[in-house]
Amino acid sequence: GAGVSQSPSNKVTEKGKDVELRCDPISGHTALYWYRQSLGQGLEFLIYFQGNSAPDKSGLPSDRFSAERTGGSVSTLTIQRTQQEDSAVYLCATLSGQGVWETQYFGPGTRLLVL
Amino acid sequence: AQTVTQSQPEMSVQEAETVTLSCTYDTSESNYYLFWYKQPPSRQMILVIRQEAYKQQNATENRFSVNFQKAAKSFSLKISDSQLGDTAMYFCAFISNSGYALNFGKGTSLLVTP
Repeated sequence: GAGVSQSPSNKVTEKGKDVELRCDPISGHTALYWYRQSLGQGLEFLIYFQGNSAPDKSGLPSDRFSAERTGGSVSTLTIQRTQQEDSAVYLCATLSGQGVWETQYFGPGTRLLVL
Repeated sequence: AQTVTQSQPEMSVQEAETVTLSCTYDTSESNYYLFWYKQPPSRQMILVIRQEAYKQQNATENRFSVNFQKAAKSFSLKISDSQLGDTAMYFCAFISNSGYALNFGKGTSLLVTP
């Protein structure tokens, strides 16, 4: 596709349930980020994948959060035993190389609501 | 740790007027990059403009320009000839040469009125 896509666009779940959020990067982009945007807040870094290197998980808020990237392409962010404070927009971004100056291309995000 | 502060939660400007959004940051790094991203209601973040810290010349992209004051650690965005389509959240972001994840401010909600 032409840009980063994310699915689902919106997700409503009950507290305690597990959810999976998907990110399809721009073809050929080696770097992939997950960010969380809580209401009234900026974006908070969660996890970073670069090529075949081990991901940087330093931003994950708890062990209920995990992410994987299969074949260097599609990424899935999983939140187990969801809590109400997990309600936020989860944004995925990718870029083509390793230069920090490069543009990060964002997907439209998944809005998660935990009831 | 690097922090990015946007002191204006909301701003409003009339169509065709000029508006300036403020951003300050704190870092001990000497090599870094600053960005302004726009997030319209569609939620898709779009890069507006980028500034390399080692460049003294302020970046310009059409109606968008920055005032980069490195000593003051200030990076404001000026939007000239504001258009209705400029209505969005604007986020200031920082990344150091030694990092890889953007540090974002909390954003400024800009409303352009007819």
